[in-house]
Amino acid sequence: GAVVSQHPSRVICKSGTSVKIECRSLDFQATTMFWYRQFPKQSLMLMATSNEGSKATYEQGVEKDKFLINHASLTLSTLTVTSAHPEDSSFYICSGVVAGGPGDTQYFGPGTRLTVL
Amino acid sequence: GENVEQHPSTLSVQEGDSAVIKCTYSDSASNYFPWYKQELGKRPQLIIDIRSNVGEKKDQRIAVTLNKTAKHFSLHITETQPEDSAVYFCAATITGANNLFFGTGTRLTVIP
Repeated sequence: GAVVSQHPSRVICKSGTSVKIECRSLDFQATTMFWYRQFPKQSLMLMATSNEGSKATYEQGVEKDKFLINHASLTLSTLTVTSAHPEDSSFYICSGVVAGGPGDTQYFGPGTRLTVL
Repeated sequence: GENVEQHPSTLSVQEGDSAVIKCTYSDSASNYFPWYKQELGKRPQLIIDIRSNVGEKKDQRIAVTLNKTAKHFSLHITETQPEDSAVYFCAATITGANNLFFGTGTRLTVIP
């Protein structure tokens, strides 16, 4: 149980384009989802916390107008990287917290590797 | 906010030996401590977790210990196997607060 999927797994785009990444909880409802980015050989850096039906909370230094997050249902959150640039190239990972559960265990998606040319 | 430190950054052990990874945290209010294993290019997978109301938890070859007074917790892997090779992350949080604060990771290599 507690499976999270992400789509796409890899994406290559040109500089200036926008990319949407989907995060789905397949067998549970997630009132809260998180978006992380991970650079090579580094830890996970929290970008934003996404709560179903409300605006996302962004970490300091993360541009909310550049990284648009939508959490329209209890099983789907999306991250849109707008006007992507090469420095946005990274591994983006989402996670979900089980609604009604202890509220702390996070289950991670398989990640999306974004390469901006 | 919470600050989690993790040591060592790299660890090599012979197959069959034990491996120990240590983490410290700064916020005494933290009460949930998960450990994740991440293979290259893949998702972090929860391997074991511990809550502050217990001092030790074991699951087959994996165990975690927690010292609330000293604010540190450790991952112990016994009888290591090559498939244990991965990056391991510790994390800390307060139940209900949701945000996980991750350590910097330990790259474990098990030498056959």
